[in-house]
Amino acid sequence: AQTVTQSQPEMSVQEAETVTLSCTYDTSESDYYLFWYKQPPSRQMILVIRQEAYKQQNATENRFSVNFQKAAKSFSLKISDSQLGDAAMYFCAYRAVSGAGSYQLTFGKGTKLSVIP
Amino acid sequence: DAEITQSPRHKITETGRQVTLACHQTWNHNNMFWYRQDLGHGLRLIHYSYGVHDTNKGEVSDGYSVSRSNTEDLPLTLESAASSQTSVYFCASSSSGGAETQYFGPGTRLLVL
Repeated sequence: AQTVTQSQPEMSVQEAETVTLSCTYDTSESDYYLFWYKQPPSRQMILVIRQEAYKQQNATENRFSVNFQKAAKSFSLKISDSQLGDAAMYFCAYRAVSGAGSYQLTFGKGTKLSVIP
Repeated sequence: DAEITQSPRHKITETGRQVTLACHQTWNHNNMFWYRQDLGHGLRLIHYSYGVHDTNKGEVSDGYSVSRSNTEDLPLTLESAASSQTSVYFCASSSSGGAETQYFGPGTRLLVL
């Protein structure tokens, strides 16, 4: 079974600075998808960024970018120019491409990010 | 705009009662999912459906059931509520194929006394 590990339960960053959230995963598949979701205090789950494993290029969405290291099974999220609105729980998630469970998401336990003014 | 809604948003019930949480999506998505979120566990999959009349068990399905009679709805039933089922429940949906994103509902906070 796939597992997703977020080793940092909590992190903090100064406003306007850069922070990196870590995620590792375990899978025997060669093709899969990886996601970062943000959950603000409202509890709404919001997709931040996604990466297809077959793509070597790291995904980028405005201030959010990932460092995808397939061989190391690592998928970190970098937030640049941190803003107060970035304060939230961040979840890393894995999804297989094929097979019976191919549409399911497996989540890490989350990292709580605080932004210091 | 298409959306996914959950009701109720908050629910208090007693141990042993049957509870049904509603999930409705207007995306016309084939796939629908129920997760529970507990402190220290992230989100864990309870049940999922890939289409009408299709249902499957997830990681933590004991004590829960679902049925899918149409595309839009996937109600989650707790047959006999237990205090261990106190949690926040999220419904999600996605279309089939590719790297399709799962869209989440706003969540239902359930307290079982």
